[in-house]
Amino acid sequence: ETGVTQTPRHLVMGMTNKKSLKCEQHLGHNAMYWYKQSAKKPLELMFVYNFKEQTENNSVPSRFSPECPNSSHLFLHLHTLQPEDSALYLCASSQGYEARTDTQYFGPGTRLTVL
Amino acid sequence: ELKVEQNPLFLSMQEGKNYTIYCNYSTTSDRLYWYRQDPGKSLESLFVLLSNGAVKQEGRLMASLDTKARLSTLHITAAVHDLSATYFCAVDTLGGTSYGKLTFGQGTILTVHP
Repeated sequence: ETGVTQTPRHLVMGMTNKKSLKCEQHLGHNAMYWYKQSAKKPLELMFVYNFKEQTENNSVPSRFSPECPNSSHLFLHLHTLQPEDSALYLCASSQGYEARTDTQYFGPGTRLTVL
Repeated sequence: ELKVEQNPLFLSMQEGKNYTIYCNYSTTSDRLYWYRQDPGKSLESLFVLLSNGAVKQEGRLMASLDTKARLSTLHITAAVHDLSATYFCAVDTLGGTSYGKLTFGQGTILTVHP
C-alpha cells in the first residue's frame, strides 16, 4: 500500500451531477498533484500544489476545480462533466520543489465514468 | 513544448531474454523518472536519474541517462513473468513555477511469456 489514498475508487456520475474526489497523503510531503490517465493518451498533469498554493494549472477546463486546504489533503471538485472526461484520475505527492529528487508517489486512482 | 517519446510501445518478450526500452525527450531536463504500472493499479516509482551518465540498477532492471542525447534507457536482463507491466518514463521541466511538472511518455506495455 502506498502512503497516498484516494476516495472513492470508482465513481459513476451524470453530466449534470456535482461530485468531489478526495486525496490524502500520509508521507509528510509538501506538494500534491492531480493527473488524468485516459485510455488513448499519455498521463496528463492537471494541477500542482506546493505548500497549499497552486503552482500549475495545465489548461484544465473550469468544470474541474481543485482545492488544497492543507498539505495533506487535495480535492478535485467536478461539475457538468462530459463523457470524454471519463478516465482514471490519479493523485500524487512529493517532498516539493526544494527536494533534489522530488519523486512523486501516486495513489491508487479514482476510476470516473461520466454518463 | 516538451515531448517525451518511448519505444517500443508494445514489447513481447520470452522469459530469459534481454531487451531495452528507449525514452527520448525534446528539451533540456536534469531529472528523469521511470515508473511501473500493473494492470488496474497505480504507478510505482522505479528510478530517478539526475545527471548525465547516471546509471541505476534494481534487480533485473537497469536505467541510464544521457542528457546530451536526451535519451534514457531501461534495460531488462533475463526477463521473468513478474516484470510484465506498463513502464513509463517521465521528464521534469524545471525552473520558475514549473517545478514538479512531469511530462510522461506514452508507456511501454511489456509482456513476458514462457
